Amino acid sequence: SQQGEEDPQALSIQEGENATMNCSYKTSINNLQWYRQNSGRGLVHLILIRSNEREKHSGRLRVTLDTSKKSSSLLITASRAADTASYFCATLIGGTSYGKLTFGQGTILTVHP
Amino acid sequence: DAGVIQSPRHEVTEMGQEVTLRCKPISGHNSLFWYRQTMMRGLELLIYFNNNVPIDDSGMPEDRFSAKMPNASFSTLKIQPSEPRDSAVYFCASSLEVLAKNIQYFGAGTRLSVL
Repeated sequence: SQQGEEDPQALSIQEGENATMNCSYKTSINNLQWYRQNSGRGLVHLILIRSNEREKHSGRLRVTLDTSKKSSSLLITASRAADTASYFCATLIGGTSYGKLTFGQGTILTVHP
Repeated sequence: DAGVIQSPRHEVTEMGQEVTLRCKPISGHNSLFWYRQTMMRGLELLIYFNNNVPIDDSGMPEDRFSAKMPNASFSTLKIQPSEPRDSAVYFCASSLEVLAKNIQYFGAGTRLSVL
């Protein structure tokens, strides 16, 4: 089973609206990361939040982490058509000394102009 | 920096042929990862190397798949013999493991079609 699972699987919104994606995981983590994948491209790192952090901002992105619920959310504010992409959460398992990330299945975000 | 470079970008081959995918990681990175992405199975980690040494190859599907990293600037993923079910996009990623961050940088991928 996936360590990270995103919800919803697909999200369709209008430009200017906010988009919220959720990620749940099963085991303790060292950090949680969000990546974006545009169609036909590789994944691009967006933001990282450590297990001892609760919230982090980067531009129009806001990430929260609730380790008690083993969940995270990614909020994209004032969305643009260019935000259309798949978004993946990835977890670095706690206690490991190596950089193996476990990726979820992703949320497909479509932003209509 | 040019980022992670993969070649070829597209590969079309016939069942039974050998396929070799190539990857040049970002200079200075000490970890390299090979992933496979399909609609059905999502993004799967096949193998990863740390300091050129294979650390975890539990994701390698079967003996038909092999990966090497002869030096810090080059890695290959080989499929021999290839089968139609190997059709997928294969990504290489690299990272610098420091301060428990492990941010991965992905290449553009190789789209493999096995006929």
